[in-house]
Parts: sequence; structure tokens; C-alpha cells
Amino acid sequence: DIEMTQSPTSLSASLGDRVTINCRASRGLRNYVAWYQQKPGKVPKLLIYAATSLRSGVPSRFSGSGSGTEFTLTINTLQPEDLATYYCQTYDSSAPWTFGQGTTVEIK
Amino acid sequence: EVQLLESGGGWVQPGGSLRLSCAASGFIFSGHAMSWVRQAPGKGLEWVSRISNGGATTHYADSVKGRFSVSRDNAENTLYLQLNSLRDEDTAMYYCATSLGDMGYDLWGQGTLVTVSS
Repeated sequence: DIEMTQSPTSLSASLGDRVTINCRASRGLRNYVAWYQQKPGKVPKLLIYAATSLRSGVPSRFSGSGSGTEFTLTINTLQPEDLATYYCQTYDSSAPWTFGQGTTVEIK
Repeated sequence: EVQLLESGGGWVQPGGSLRLSCAASGFIFSGHAMSWVRQAPGKGLEWVSRISNGGATTHYADSVKGRFSVSRDNAENTLYLQLNSLRDEDTAMYYCATSLGDMGYDLWGQGTLVTVSS
């Protein structure tokens, strides 16, 4: 099974900052990597799919990059509403579609 | 409206059983694989199970293998998760989810809470 290791576990940043969250896969993937945002008490929301594709309706300050085993979610110009926990996930095989441990973004 | 609606959660004692349901609407249910994802209180997301669109192929996380069983009724547009031999650590919000656009989970239900406690 593929393991997805996220870093950092949490971070604190100021409004307007650029934030990067990393995700490392235990073996090479075919870029079937998704990123989700989960706000407190809410259902997870898909932000990025296929490692770099922005889902329709998601603000353009969110972007994804990477390939192989290293993937990154970037939030440009951090906004107050970006307070949330972010998860990477692989959907590179029939199963399991493993999630990373999550990264909590706090606003300074 | 495209949506998933879970039900069947509740309180159960360790060793007990529960059956969760997920009613789908607004899309061609039989055309999509379906999954269950859970989240223990204050913890991260954990993928639990997946079933192919026709129901012939199923997959489980190691943590639930042999205890949980996923199934679906395409005529009724409903996904099920049978939870047996429940443990304290199975306490979680259980979400059903699917990929309508081959992009990861782009549709989630609101979740149903399962509490395992004596």
C-alpha cells in the first residue's frame, strides 16, 4: 500500500503570506494526487486533482505541483477563510486511496 | 441536486454491529465506484472501503478488513457499509464519497456518526 506523508503537521502564517504544504508518497505515482481542504466542523472539499489541476470554482490562489513521489500544495496570499486542515490523497490505484495525516493552517 | 445522504449511525457497544446507508441522487449511481471514509474525533481522514460501480470488486483498509463489508444496490441508488465486531477505535464520523469526474472525491455526504462505547 502507498503511504502519504505530509509536512508540516501544522503551520502558522500571516495574512498575505505564501504557504506551502508538502506530501511525499512511499513510491512513485502517476500524478493521481488530490488535495482537500477541511474547515472546522465541515465536510472535506476537493481543491486540486491530478496533482496540478485546479477544480472549478476553487480560488486561483490555490495551486498544486509535483510529480513522482513529491507533491506540494501552495496557497498564495493567505486569506482568513483559508483557516483549515489540508489533506493530500493518492487515487493512483484501485485501492487504497490513502490520505496524508493532514496539515493544519492557522492564521497568526 | 447531486447529493449523498448517509444514515444509520448511532451508539453501539464494543463487539456490536451497525449498518450504514448512503442514498445517492442527482447522478447515475451505477456508473461510479463508491467509497467510505471515516474521521475519528479530532483526527485525520482515513480511507475505509471502496466498491466498484457494479459491485463486483471491493477493497478495504487493513484496519477494518474482515469486520466491515461494503455493498450497493444500484436499483435503489444506495451504498451500504456493514460494521461488525466494532471496537472503540471505530468511533468516527463516516462519510460516503465518490469521484464523478475521475479527480479524487469530488462529492461527499454530510456524514453519519458512529460511537462505540460501553
